[in-house]
Amino acid sequence: DTGVSQNPRHKITKRGQNVTFRCDPISEHNRLYWYRQTLGQGPEFLTYFQNEAQLEKSRLLSDRFSAERPKGSFSTLEIQRTEQGDSAMYLCASRAGGAGTDTQYFGPGTRLTVL
Amino acid sequence: ILNVEQSPQSLHVQEGDSTNFTCSFPSSNFYALHWYRWETAKSPEALFVMTLNGDEKKKGRISATLNTKEGYSYLYIKGSQPEDSATYLCAFPNNAGNMLTFGGGTRLMVKP
Repeated sequence: DTGVSQNPRHKITKRGQNVTFRCDPISEHNRLYWYRQTLGQGPEFLTYFQNEAQLEKSRLLSDRFSAERPKGSFSTLEIQRTEQGDSAMYLCASRAGGAGTDTQYFGPGTRLTVL
Repeated sequence: ILNVEQSPQSLHVQEGDSTNFTCSFPSSNFYALHWYRWETAKSPEALFVMTLNGDEKKKGRISATLNTKEGYSYLYIKGSQPEDSATYLCAFPNNAGNMLTFGGGTRLMVKP
């Protein structure tokens, strides 16, 4: 257990519905990251926060994707009007430091299936 | 976009076998390389952060080496056990250090 939790662990939805996932980072970590992993691929960076500020969001896959971290603690990732291609594992990670050598600690992910 | 590649994509070994796999990454502007182990239904677990050319790190039966000049890292598992079955991922941070680019992973299956 890394100390990063994600909910729900699994989500099945119908195409066109909106979904929201939650990530609770390790409490003293001010940096929080979202990644997406599709079958047979490594995780792909989506966005990241330092405290409540979203510092990188150009990699969000479309304008249907949005993320928030309103109080600099937990974060939510929302996908609007889901499509079958959104089916994937969504991972959250957190860390304290900002250097490339600092470890990102991952949660167990939320697996999304869009029917 | 950084190109991080891992080989092989999957590997089946018998319990007790030793094995190794490769991560290749851009050799220019090297900063660090991360190795993770990801077991099914669990969180990816950090194994090593490699920073210096020639680095060798060890954790139990798992070790890793780094060659920044030629742009590769090897992960070795000595005497594989069924509990080593997992996907092993390497990841390369961007210059700002705020995002990781992952390889596709090597899926290891150890048969008892």
